[in-house]
Amino acid sequence: AAGVIQSPRHLIKEKRETATLKCYPIPRHDTVYWYQQGPGQDPQFLISFYEKMQSDKGSIPDRFSAQQFSDYHSELNMSSLELGDSALYFCASSPVLTGTSGANVLTFGAGSRLTVL
Amino acid sequence: AQKVTQAQTEISVVEKEDVTLDCVYETRDTTYYLFWYKQPPSGELVFLIRRNSFDEQNEISGRYSWNFQKSTSSFNFTITASQVVDSAVYFCALQVSGSARQLTFGSGTQLTVLP
Repeated sequence: AAGVIQSPRHLIKEKRETATLKCYPIPRHDTVYWYQQGPGQDPQFLISFYEKMQSDKGSIPDRFSAQQFSDYHSELNMSSLELGDSALYFCASSPVLTGTSGANVLTFGAGSRLTVL
Repeated sequence: AQKVTQAQTEISVVEKEDVTLDCVYETRDTTYYLFWYKQPPSGELVFLIRRNSFDEQNEISGRYSWNFQKSTSSFNFTITASQVVDSAVYFCALQVSGSARQLTFGSGTQLTVLP
């Protein structure tokens, strides 16, 4: 079965540089989530999109931005990188639900490991 | 606000022992969902189970079982006859209905199964 695809898997950047992470959700999943997991930490919610519109925002720095495109893939753009941005970045996707009841099971990608030197 | 607490930071067991990972959650919502995810050393997050707040029936899947008790706000996870391949970080997570469906994770429990 198709899974969530993230690229690149590994990325090394210098301080103050810019990085872009890409996420391709599971087909027919139209909600995408971004999470950041620092070393030894639990995943922290950054931002989510439903039908290409931002649906919720978590602890995403102002230096970061994200969007979801017409083909449902999403990109996380990170500028003015800091050492503290070094982390594993997960993308997850879930299928649409009608109404507000029911639970979306989030399927996670393998993650993109960003190292800022 | 939602909160998930996994008080056990690290657990070590010897292969074939049973082990229980604790999870306590806090939410004011009456409709919510609880999850367990496994993060092996390779780093990916693997979905294990989802349970909704109206279903307190315990569940068993092979060597895995889950005990959901609303009275104590707990959703504990037991691995029976543990194996070395069970070594991973296990996260409990909470999702509330009506929100944008993001998960609030606990801090995780590092399980090491020794041969």
